Parts: sequence; C-alpha cells; structure tokens
Amino acid sequence: GAVVSQHPSWVICKSGTSVKIECRSLDFQATTMFWYRQFPKQSLMLMATSNEGSKATYEQGVEKDKFLINHASLTLSTLTVTSAHPEDSSFYICSAPSLGGASNEKLFFGSGTQLSVL
Amino acid sequence: AQTVTQSQPEMSVQEAETVTLSCTYDTSESDYYLFWYKQPPSRQMILVIRQEAYKQQNATENRFSVNFQKAAKSFSLKISDSQLGDAAMYFCAYRSAAGGYQKVTFGIGTKLQVIP
Repeated sequence: GAVVSQHPSWVICKSGTSVKIECRSLDFQATTMFWYRQFPKQSLMLMATSNEGSKATYEQGVEKDKFLINHASLTLSTLTVTSAHPEDSSFYICSAPSLGGASNEKLFFGSGTQLSVL
Repeated sequence: AQTVTQSQPEMSVQEAETVTLSCTYDTSESDYYLFWYKQPPSRQMILVIRQEAYKQQNATENRFSVNFQKAAKSFSLKISDSQLGDAAMYFCAYRSAAGGYQKVTFGIGTKLQVIP
C-alpha cells in the first residue's frame, strides 16, 4: 500500500535553532499534504495544508513565519520550525491523501516526529 | 466549523468482550465522511473504519462496526471479541465531502485498555 515516510522520527534541539521535518510520499503523488501537531494526551490539531507549487494554507492561530512549509515537488513536503522554543515541543505528523477522487480517497500518515526543544 | 466530540477519555474492556466507543459531531453539511482511527503506542495512525454519510448501511470491518445515526449526529464504534492488540487511542474524525482534498478534523480521543 501507499506509504508516507516522515523523518526524523525524533529530534532534540536547543532553543533558538531551526528544525526541518520531511515528509515524502513513496509510491504516489501527493499534491496536498496536511501537517498536524499533537500535544501529549491530546488530539491531532491541523496546523496547515501544503499544496505542491503554491503557498501553504495555515489554520487560525498558527504562525506562518514560525512554521515554514514548503511543498516543492509532488512527493516532498517539509515543515521547518524556526527559532524553536520549548513550547514548540510536540509530536508533528504529516498526512497525504491519495489521488482517486473523494469517494476513494485514502489518507496516509507519516510515522510522526517528536520534537523536544531544550 | 465542524466539531467532533468524544466524551469518554478512557475505556476498558475484558479480552474477548465487546466495547463501544462514542462519538458525536456537529456539521451543517449533508455529505461527509466519518472515520475511526487507531493510534497505538507507536503513534502511527491507522484507519480502522470509514463511513460515508450518504450510506444508510453501517460500515463493518471484521471485528469493528459502527452505529451511524445521521439525524442524531452520532457515530459510535463497536469492537467485538476485543484483543490485546486493540489497546490504543481511538480517534473519531470528520471530513467534508466537498470538492478537493479536505482536511480531517479529529476528536480528542478515547484511550482503550484491554484487560487480559
């Protein structure tokens, strides 16, 4: 089946540094990718929707200058957390819908990235 | 905006028994999809079951079935013959059936414990 590869699976960084998370669709083209954030014992909250070749759409309250999203190809979307702070520590998950129309669409998830900012 | 509510933070079930997880949602749309996702300790999201709102028949997938009540906006998940591997967080989710790739909205989750 379709696979979405996300890495790194975990990263520890110092406050003020930037961290890039990659999400790749391995055997299908993903024109759209969704980026979610999940705090401990909470639900997945959508941060932004990235579209290949155009600007990402951010959810209300998500700082676009802090969470930079790039979707430069049909198989790769990246999320860069700029100037990370401890409050950005969270589990980040990407997901991509397969092509095929809404009735047959399936959503494939990456395995997530645990970010810890010291 | 659509909302998904799961009122049971935690549930437990004896192995081989049946358990039902509750979910309600709010939407003004008439056509949409509902899902149950499982998130085991590995945190990989796994689709358990999917229901199209225009279908009256409840979806089933082996030991998993749903009770979809469109008028009541209720979408519960029944797990029969519970197994230890069913222990996980379960998220109810909603997706509009409008054109394009629509985002999925998740509930807060229910943690399911399976007691041997």
